[in-house]
Amino acid sequence: ETGVTQSPTHLIKTRGQQVTLRCSSQSGHNTVSWYQQALGQGPQFIFQYYREEENGRGNFPPRFSGLQFPNYSSELNVNALELDDSALYLCASSLDLAGGPGTDTQYFGPGTRLTVL
Amino acid sequence: AQTVTQSQPEMSVQEAETVTLSCTYDTSENNYYLFWYKQPPSRQMILVIRQEAYKQQNATENRFSVNFQKAAKSFSLKISDSQLGDTAMYFCAFLRVDSKLVFGAGTILRVKS
Repeated sequence: ETGVTQSPTHLIKTRGQQVTLRCSSQSGHNTVSWYQQALGQGPQFIFQYYREEENGRGNFPPRFSGLQFPNYSSELNVNALELDDSALYLCASSLDLAGGPGTDTQYFGPGTRLTVL
Repeated sequence: AQTVTQSQPEMSVQEAETVTLSCTYDTSENNYYLFWYKQPPSRQMILVIRQEAYKQQNATENRFSVNFQKAAKSFSLKISDSQLGDTAMYFCAFLRVDSKLVFGAGTILRVKS
């Protein structure tokens, strides 16, 4: 059983650029959640994908967007990068059972460190 | 809105001793799940322990146990026989009914030899 993987490990971009981060979910999991973790803070929920559909979104602007693919892997895209987007981006996967009210444990990947200059 | 509060920004403990990390939360939900995650300097967020709110029995995983007080909305983590490898940032998290995790600000734990 493979765990959650993310790529790349580190990324440096300049303000105004666009970035794509990738996540492969743990084997058997159908739900992917993305979190942003600023330095010294707890992670903040960005959005979640369940069976290729967005399943909830946190307080992030539309320039944060995502995709989930048929194999349940996922991408996070950020357009028009700002300095405040510098953070650790965490992906978590879980097995969300239809009708189950938030019973799924989320397992995290190692994260992508994004630096915006 | 659900909130999670960790009132101890930093703590330290001697190797082999016991330490307790505090967490309180606020919710109007009755059935929910609580977690403690550990984030070492390698930054990988690792699940430490999970507690279902409908269970009165406190969860235990080897040296890690929780004291879950539902009425007080308190969820503390006890680490027994602390080891150097326990040094990390510890996050308390609440799983909302819509499957979104809400995290506290974290507690840095340093285990000293």
